[in-house]
Amino acid sequence: GEDVEQSLFLSVREGDSSVINCTYTDSSSTYLYWYKQEPGAGLQLLTYIFSNMDMKQDQRLTVLLNKKDKHLSLRIADTQTGDSAIYFCAEDPTNKLIFGTGTLLAVQP
Amino acid sequence: DADVTQTPRNRITKTGKRIMLECSQTKGHDRMYWYRQDPGLGLRLIYYSFDVKDINKGEISDGYSVSRQAQAKFSLSLESAIPNQTALYFCATSDPRVGDEQYFGPGTRLTVT
Repeated sequence: GEDVEQSLFLSVREGDSSVINCTYTDSSSTYLYWYKQEPGAGLQLLTYIFSNMDMKQDQRLTVLLNKKDKHLSLRIADTQTGDSAIYFCAEDPTNKLIFGTGTLLAVQP
Repeated sequence: DADVTQTPRNRITKTGKRIMLECSQTKGHDRMYWYRQDPGLGLRLIYYSFDVKDINKGEISDGYSVSRQAQAKFSLSLESAIPNQTALYFCATSDPRVGDEQYFGPGTRLTVT
């Protein structure tokens, strides 16, 4: 199957780190993605990682990829209230994206 | 101006009615997509089109049809709406020559009563 799974909800305090996890099923994906959806808006690409990489860092964001376990994570350092959103991971095994169920990140001031 | 626009933004309709959701893009991308979003289910692909003459079914195409009128326009139709088609619908575009990042419209909230 092509199931991409995430936990539905994560709550953190402002200034703490957030870690959002994702498991995927298809090891043929070239890239794995993280998209962010703010309230009332469509999705925007946040970051992505090439499948032959283990880690990618982009300012406050760190993406870790464990291909053996088909596990992807997104770490947000120094989480801010503006980071409150739904985060989707996605894989692209067949030229089209398969999205996860989305994780709602709530940042408490 | 937004790169990907959707009309209408909100629509309430009755069971059995025919509904068309429209999507336009100014990015010049060949690839366009329609998704629906339901709480706890993420985004599911309804139909996609890789160029004007190409239409493909996605994961959940039953009850839906599409038309690619031009490179810039991709519309989604519900021939006879039913309540379980109540959802948030998103159009997206992408260009594989530049990493195939998908650009999403703002969404259409459809309620079928």
